[in-house]
Amino acid sequence: AQSVTQPDIHITVSEGASLELRCNYSYGATPYLFWYVQSPGQGLQLLLKYFSGDTLVQGIKGFEAEFKRSQSSFNLRKPSVHWSDAAEYFCAVALTSGTYKYIFGTGTRLKVLA
Amino acid sequence: GAGVSQSPSNKVTEKGKDVELRCDPISGHTALYWYRQRLGQGLEFLIYFQGNSAPDKSGLPSDRFSAERTGESVSTLTIQRTQQEDSAVYLCASSRDGNTDTQYFGPGTRLTVL
Repeated sequence: AQSVTQPDIHITVSEGASLELRCNYSYGATPYLFWYVQSPGQGLQLLLKYFSGDTLVQGIKGFEAEFKRSQSSFNLRKPSVHWSDAAEYFCAVALTSGTYKYIFGTGTRLKVLA
Repeated sequence: GAGVSQSPSNKVTEKGKDVELRCDPISGHTALYWYRQRLGQGLEFLIYFQGNSAPDKSGLPSDRFSAERTGESVSTLTIQRTQQEDSAVYLCASSRDGNTDTQYFGPGTRLTVL
């Protein structure tokens, strides 16, 4: 069955530190992968997406993610975290066979220390 | 419109009552999705509409849940005989063509069943 796993429920980092949020997926076909961010009181916003091509994708707000097929992973990274990055981050895989529904992970809540 | 809108923003109802939640997608978007987000959890796919195709209802948790969409515009999610476990934020998203295109999310409807 298709699934997305975000093993870290909560992560705390200091402002200016680097960040990596983990995402593993299980899907037999070619995965289309996404990272969304949900800030307090706001809707979900797309950070970046991977469909094909270069396995390192750049997104908004200085985020990037790397697709590793061999590890079934799509980890999100940022070299230097800002206090405004405190939010909940969701990884998602779009199914591409028979339907185009999305499977979301359970999310990672990021706390940033000043 | 400028974005996806949902109404009401908050709904409090008594157990056993029926509720209707509304979603207005971005104009021209052919795909529309409904998700449920329980407190502290990820997004749970409910239903997906794509143009005039039969909707993907595989995520609806019970026959108390149903959804309709008029052409490529407004959608209504109906929950009959609400239960306390239905309490959640219900999110709607639309995308241009549903073919793994970026989903744009509405602000959600927070449903509380007493």
